[in-house]
Amino acid sequence: DGGITQSPKYLFRKEGQNVTLSCEQNLNHDAMYWYRQDPGQGLRLIYYSQIVNDFQKGDIAEGYSVSREKKESFPLTVTSAQKNPTAFYLCASSIKQGTEAFFGQGTRLTVV
Amino acid sequence: AQTVTQSQPEMSVQEAETVTLSCTYDTSENNYYLFWYKQPPSRQMILVIRQEAYKQQNATENRFSVNFQKAAKSFSLKISDSQLGDTAMYFCGATNNNAGNMLTFGGGTRLMVKP
Repeated sequence: DGGITQSPKYLFRKEGQNVTLSCEQNLNHDAMYWYRQDPGQGLRLIYYSQIVNDFQKGDIAEGYSVSREKKESFPLTVTSAQKNPTAFYLCASSIKQGTEAFFGQGTRLTVV
Repeated sequence: AQTVTQSQPEMSVQEAETVTLSCTYDTSENNYYLFWYKQPPSRQMILVIRQEAYKQQNATENRFSVNFQKAAKSFSLKISDSQLGDTAMYFCGATNNNAGNMLTFGGGTRLMVKP
């Protein structure tokens, strides 16, 4: 089945550790996005990528890093510099600008 | 930069009635796209409806329709014959036709459909 997959669904980490969230799509989409969602809040854009080997900061990029070495993959690293990393993280992709974005099922990250 | 604002944090509606969710946006682009997404308790984001800014006709998808007022930069969602399954968070989003192509969302409206 074609789709966008985030793993794991739940992730626990100790404070001060970096952690990487996986996002893979087999839809042949050019654009990929990472969002953060806090309880009862909207989606805030962390990073986005229009093409392989290129990505742009979103509204809340501080404390996060990404890579786009392959079209299918857009991993997000939450670094120890992120002050409040506990949140729900959503990855999305779209075939091109203006088209529907498909979302993964999200990763709930809890830092203790 | 573009911004999207949803001014209604929560709304409720009786089953079978009609409800309208508000959204305003701000963009300097001439060619852009607007979306409404639904996020049920499962947290899966589902596209409800999409509008291209250059099209004057309001988009419609079954019980869902939009009122797109380009001059006012308003993009409201009307849900007719509300069903219990419509209970969800609803997010208004925008993206534009430039190299940046950021897909930006508003803060969401929590809709409760009451039996």
